[in-house]
This record gives sequence, C-alpha cells and structure tokens, in this order.
Amino acid sequence: EIVLTQSPATLSLSPGERATLSCRASQTITSSLVWYQQKPGQVPRLLIYDTSNRAAGIPARFSGSGSETDFTLTISSLEPEDSAVYFCQQHSKWPLLLTFGGGTKVEIK
Amino acid sequence: QVQLVESGGGLVRPGGSLRLSCAASGLTFNDYYMSWIRQAPGKGLEWVSSISRSNSYTNYADSVKGRFTISRDNAKKSIYLQMNSLRADDTAVYHCARDRIPYSYDSHGRPSPSMAFDLWGQGTMVTVAS
Repeated sequence: EIVLTQSPATLSLSPGERATLSCRASQTITSSLVWYQQKPGQVPRLLIYDTSNRAAGIPARFSGSGSETDFTLTISSLEPEDSAVYFCQQHSKWPLLLTFGGGTKVEIK
Repeated sequence: QVQLVESGGGLVRPGGSLRLSCAASGLTFNDYYMSWIRQAPGKGLEWVSSISRSNSYTNYADSVKGRFTISRDNAKKSIYLQMNSLRADDTAVYHCARDRIPYSYDSHGRPSPSMAFDLWGQGTMVTVAS
C-alpha cells in the first residue's frame, strides 16, 4: 500500500501570500494524484485531478504539480476563503486501492 | 438537483451490523463508478470500498475486507454498504461519492475509474460503542 505523507501539518499565512503544500508518496505513483479541499462542516471538494488539472469551477490560483513520489499543491495568492484542510489522494489499479494523505491545514492570519 | 443522500447510520454495539444506503438524484447513476469513503471524527479521509457500473467489480480497503460488502441497484439509483462485525474503529461519517468520469475503460475493456470524486453526499454517522 502506498502511504502519502503531507507536510506541513499546518500552514499559517497571510492573505496574498503563496502557499505550498507537499504530498510525498512512499513509492512511485503509477496513476495520478488528486487534491481535495475540506472546510469545517463541509464535504471534501475536488480541486485537482490527474496531478495538475483543475476541477470545474476551481480558481486559477490553485495549481498542482509533481511526479513519481513528490507532488505539490500551490495556492498562488491566498484568499480568506482558502482556509481549510487539504488532502491528497492516489490510487493503484488492479487491484484498485486508494489512499489519502493525512491532510494539511491552511490557516489565514 | 444533482445530489447523493446517505442513510442508515446509527449507534451499534461492537460485533453488530448496519446497512448504509446512498440514493442518487439528478444524474445518470448507472454511468458512474461509486465509492464509500469514511471520516472518523476530527480525522482524515479513508477510502472504504468502490463498485463498478454493473456490479461486476468491487474493491475494499484491507481494514474492511471480509466484513463489509458493497452493492448497487441501478434501477433504484442507489448503492449500499453492508457492514458486519463492526468495531469501534469503524466509527465515522460514511460518505458516498461519485467518480468524476463516466464510462471509463482501459485497453482491455476493464473499468478504469479516475478515482477522483467530484460529487459527495453529506454522509451518515456510524457509531460503534457498547
């Protein structure tokens, strides 16, 4: 099973600053990486699929990158509404197995 | 309105059983791979199980394999999760979720879901305690 480790656990930044969230895999990911945003009391929201593609309706300030074992979610200029927990996720095929990272909490000062 | 609505959660004793349901509306349900994902209180997300469009393929996390069974009824636009031999660490909100891509197959004709979930239900709480 591939383990995803997200860092940092918490990121505290001011509006307008750049946020860089890391997701590191225990072995090379052969499928693709996905990112979700979860605000308190809400269900997760799909942000990024296939490592770097923004989901429908996601602002351009969110971008994803990476390959093999190292992946990054970047929020180019933080908005107050970006305060949330961000999860990365990967899956393997045949057999289908899916794992999530532990999450990074982004706090806006 | 496109939505998923879960039901069937509740309080159950260790070793007991529950059957969760997830009803879809506003979407062509049988086009999509569907999954169950859970979240323990204050914790992260954990994938539980997934099922193909036609019930042909089912997959489970190791933590629930042999205890949980996923199924679907396309006529009723619903998926289910039969949970047996429940343990305290099964306590969580259980969400159903839709795969982003309908009708996705690989070169061998096998389902090839994206496993990126673009529609989630609000979830149903399962508490396992004595």
